[in-house]
Amino acid sequence: LAKTTQPISMDSYEGQEVNITCSHNNIATNDYITWYQQFPSQGPRFIIQGYKTKVTNEVASLFIPADRKSSTLSLPRVSLSDTAVYYCLVVGDTDKLIFGTGTRLQVFP
Amino acid sequence: DTGVSQDPRHKITKRGQNVTFRCDPISEHNRLYWYRQTLGQGPEFLTYFQNEAQLEKSRLLSDRFSAERPKGSFSTLEIQRTEQGDSAMYLCASRRTGDDKNIQYFGAGTRLSVL
Repeated sequence: LAKTTQPISMDSYEGQEVNITCSHNNIATNDYITWYQQFPSQGPRFIIQGYKTKVTNEVASLFIPADRKSSTLSLPRVSLSDTAVYYCLVVGDTDKLIFGTGTRLQVFP
Repeated sequence: DTGVSQDPRHKITKRGQNVTFRCDPISEHNRLYWYRQTLGQGPEFLTYFQNEAQLEKSRLLSDRFSAERPKGSFSTLEIQRTEQGDSAMYLCASRRTGDDKNIQYFGAGTRLSVL
């Protein structure tokens, strides 16, 4: 199982773009990179996933370089409600999700 | 609200007591997962079901833990002889076979405090 490494915490101000980088040096060919968001007292919520290059949805963008050993979650123009923990997961041929400790994002007014 | 319901939301118990949690998945979801999350950590996988069959159990699931899904709908997680180390958030998630396996829908969890 690929292990991921991401910053423990990040601070930002409202309206700024936030980029959270995740390292996954041992990613396997069949693995996908998946990001979840968790608010206090709630379960995690899927936000985006990708295999390579760039993926964008209404919530975020995910950038994955050609070697796939890292990925960057980009949150455009964050607001106070984006304050949460963000988890980077590498998911392969398994039916369980393996979470790390995540990145705690604090957005200030 | 993801549609996954967990009950109770909070449980306080004394060490040595038994506790049982319930999870109701999204109605058409046949796969159901249990995770445990301690303070400052990400969720850890405990076990999962496909319909009523328990297909995988983590080493974290000691003999004091048992999970059931008798009719393939709701599931229960029981902890016998609780210990202080069992204090955590217990999360349930579900998905439907055939849908993207990387996307699981989580409930809000049951927070257990063992005194």
